[in-house]
Amino acid sequence: KNEVEQSPQNLTAQEGEFITINCSYSVGISALHWLQQHPGGGIVSLFMLSSGKKKHGRLIATINIQEKHSSLHITASHPRDSAVYICAALTGNQFYFGTGTSLTVIP
Amino acid sequence: DGGITQSPKYLFRKEGQNVTLSCEQNLNHDAMYWYRQDPGQGLRLIYYSQIVNDFQKGDIAEGYSVSREKKESFPLTVTSAQKNPTAFYLCASRGLAEEIQFFGPGTRLTVL
Repeated sequence: KNEVEQSPQNLTAQEGEFITINCSYSVGISALHWLQQHPGGGIVSLFMLSSGKKKHGRLIATINIQEKHSSLHITASHPRDSAVYICAALTGNQFYFGTGTSLTVIP
Repeated sequence: DGGITQSPKYLFRKEGQNVTLSCEQNLNHDAMYWYRQDPGQGLRLIYYSQIVNDFQKGDIAEGYSVSREKKESFPLTVTSAQKNPTAFYLCASRGLAEEIQFFGPGTRLTVL
């Protein structure tokens, strides 16, 4: 069993739809990250969370420490949001990564 | 312009050859990491280093070697002992007091 599980694995949405990607983890964490990987392979950090909720533009990330669960929401999705979204849990000095959710937003 | 650079972007090697992937950062980060990414799998840790001249094995270190002679540089050598080296390799760095990790653009290695 992986320390970090993501769902769904693949997601296709129509432009404008509200999108939710889920992440569950089994390890004790100091922080949880949401990353975005573009088709070329580059990875950028979207959010770092240790509690509560963060918002950046159309992206919202939440975390429930008791339930060991985090969600990434995208409001008013756009084709440029198409990417792989990866959840990563920081425990000690190591990161544990989910397998990613491949999102395709269709115009 | 601070960041992490990896070179080359694409690399081809013949079976049985060693190859070294470059990773340089000018973010003054103490910690550096090497990950391997395969289709359908999460990033897996190969090696990491928290300080110059010191490094630790990750989950899949067999067939790989690293050095950390300078704070800015953390090269990864894929040796001929690595049975399935074709993959996408990502380097990352982090300040020890920070929790955000910064990634390089990656090197795609193909063994012919």
